[in-house]
Amino acid sequence: DIQMTQSPSSLSASVGDRVTITCQASQDISNYLNWYQQKPGKAPKLLIYDASNLETGVPSRFSGSGSGTDFTFTISSLQPEDIATYYCQQYDNLLITFGQGTRLEIK
Amino acid sequence: QVQLQESGPGLVKPSQTLSLTCTVSGGSISSGSYYWSWIRQPAGKGLEWIGRIYTSGSTNYNPSLKSRVTISVDTSKNQFSLKLSSVTAADTAVYYCARDADYGGSNAFDIWGQGTMVTVSS
Repeated sequence: DIQMTQSPSSLSASVGDRVTITCQASQDISNYLNWYQQKPGKAPKLLIYDASNLETGVPSRFSGSGSGTDFTFTISSLQPEDIATYYCQQYDNLLITFGQGTRLEIK
Repeated sequence: QVQLQESGPGLVKPSQTLSLTCTVSGGSISSGSYYWSWIRQPAGKGLEWIGRIYTSGSTNYNPSLKSRVTISVDTSKNQFSLKLSSVTAADTAVYYCARDADYGGSNAFDIWGQGTMVTVSS
């Protein structure tokens, strides 16, 4: 099984800060990596697919990069509405797994 | 636009079978190249993919749950369903259905239901 290690598990930042979350796969997954935002009591929302592609309608302050085993998710300028938990997710044709999540709070 | 809605009992007794249905509205479950997945999330914890089905009926399951899971599709009703047998308290979670779309590289869950809470308790 491909394991996803996401860090940090929680993060506190100020409005306007640049925020970075990382996700590491236990083996090469090419660019088969997606990022989701989940607000309390809500279903997750797809933000980034194939490691670096912005889903339609998602603000451009969100971005992703990486390939192989190491991936990064960035919010260029944190906004109050970005408070949520963020998950990476890898796609293997036989088993889909998520990272443990990063809870993002406003400082 | 396409929307998903989960339905089913909110309380299941230990050792019994959990049964949920996801109804697809705003589009045909058979149109396009989509898988249809079930994902769950225990309170305060992360997301766990349970399995998925293609409209042809082919399925993939999480190996950790495979022995207890059955996912089926009813294209005439625009629904797909989850059955999880021999449940224990560890199966208590919010259960989501989601559309699993081919983005050319990976697949991603682009549309989600609102989720339904299922508690396993006697």
